[in-house]
This record gives sequence, C-alpha cells and structure tokens, in this order.
Amino acid sequence: RKEVEQDPGPFNVPEGATVAFNCTYSNSASQSFFWYRQDCRKEPKLLMSVYSSGNEDGRFTAQLNRASQYISLLIRDSKLSDSATYLCVVNAFGDYKLSFGAGTTVTVRA
Amino acid sequence: GAVVSQHPSRVICKSGTSVKIECRSLDFQATTMFWYRQFPKQSLMLMATSNEGSKATYEQGVEKDKFLINHASLTLSTLTVTSAHPEDSSFYICSAVGVNTEAFFGQGTRLTVV
Repeated sequence: RKEVEQDPGPFNVPEGATVAFNCTYSNSASQSFFWYRQDCRKEPKLLMSVYSSGNEDGRFTAQLNRASQYISLLIRDSKLSDSATYLCVVNAFGDYKLSFGAGTTVTVRA
Repeated sequence: GAVVSQHPSRVICKSGTSVKIECRSLDFQATTMFWYRQFPKQSLMLMATSNEGSKATYEQGVEKDKFLINHASLTLSTLTVTSAHPEDSSFYICSAVGVNTEAFFGQGTRLTVV
C-alpha cells in the first residue's frame, strides 16, 4: 500500500466553481501534513500546511481527519491560475523526510 | 522566502557518461538535503537523505554506487548520476531544510539520456 494516496482527478471545473479532493495516508504516526502545488515541469511549492483543527488561507481550506487518516483541500471561487497539480505531502517522522502523493490535477476553464 | 538553487535545469547526455547536479541553499544553512526523482505523471520519490559531513542515506532500491551524493558544506549538495542510461531519464529535484525551516525545493533538473 502506498504511504500517501490521492484522488487522481483530473478535475475540470469552470471559473468560480468550488472543487474539493482528498488524500489518505497509511502511517497513523504521521506528524505533519501539507498541500503543495506543482505546475507543469516545475518544482513543488508549498501551498499550505494542514493543522489538526483545519485551516483556511484565502480561498483554500484544508482539513485533517486523524481518525480516518485523510486530509482534504477545498478551493472556492476557482481562478484560471489555480490550474495545477496539487500534491498531498505527509511527514511521518518529523524530520522532513516527506512522502508525496501522486497528485490531483485541477483544470479551471474560462 | 528562502531560495534553493539547482543546476543545471536541463541536461542531455550520452548513455554511459556521468552527470553532476548541484543543489545550493542561497540564504540559509541546510542541515539536511533530500534528493527526489519524478517520472511523468508519478509522485516524487525520495532517493536519498543527505546530512552535511556524513554519508547519505539511500532509500530501498536506490543504488548508492550509481547515484553519488556529496554534501560537503551546509549550503551545497551534489548528486552525480554515474554511467547514465536512458532509464535514468527523469526529473530530479532537491530540497533543503535548515534549523526551524520548512523544506524548500530546487527548480529541478530534467535529465535526458540518449
């Protein structure tokens, strides 16, 4: 079983729509959780950390469910610039040895 | 924010030759650097963890004699792909972590072995 599994998508949504997707992780001792964004042929960039109580950053909302071992990302009022691959990232040991999901592709159309 | 510079961004080499990729932390001291590989439409796979002044720790299935890692200073780590073959063609990315910092990624190196 992969350490991090993601809803692969692709999600094709119109501008202004809300899109949400999940990711599950296998190691119950995982300590830190992140969403990264990766544009085509570029390096991943941190979008947001995910906290136990859930957190919001502008149009982006992340949730963590430790009991079910999944995290989610919701994007409200989608913009064309939100088109990217979103990587679910988990740090199991607190040493920044990160485990990556394969990514969820989101395409926002005009 | 902190910057990690990775060079070259793109390299094409002949089968059997070696390629060196550099990863530098420009404005912080990286206590640990990680090397990843990403094949098309797949996730980043950790290859090895590198701590300054010590030998790298390789993930299972990664040949340490083929992928040589040197972390000689707190700002520089290098990955050398020795005797490269077409199946080594991939996107290689480094990340660097300092004291109390998040992981910052280099821009990646697209290696094509012909």
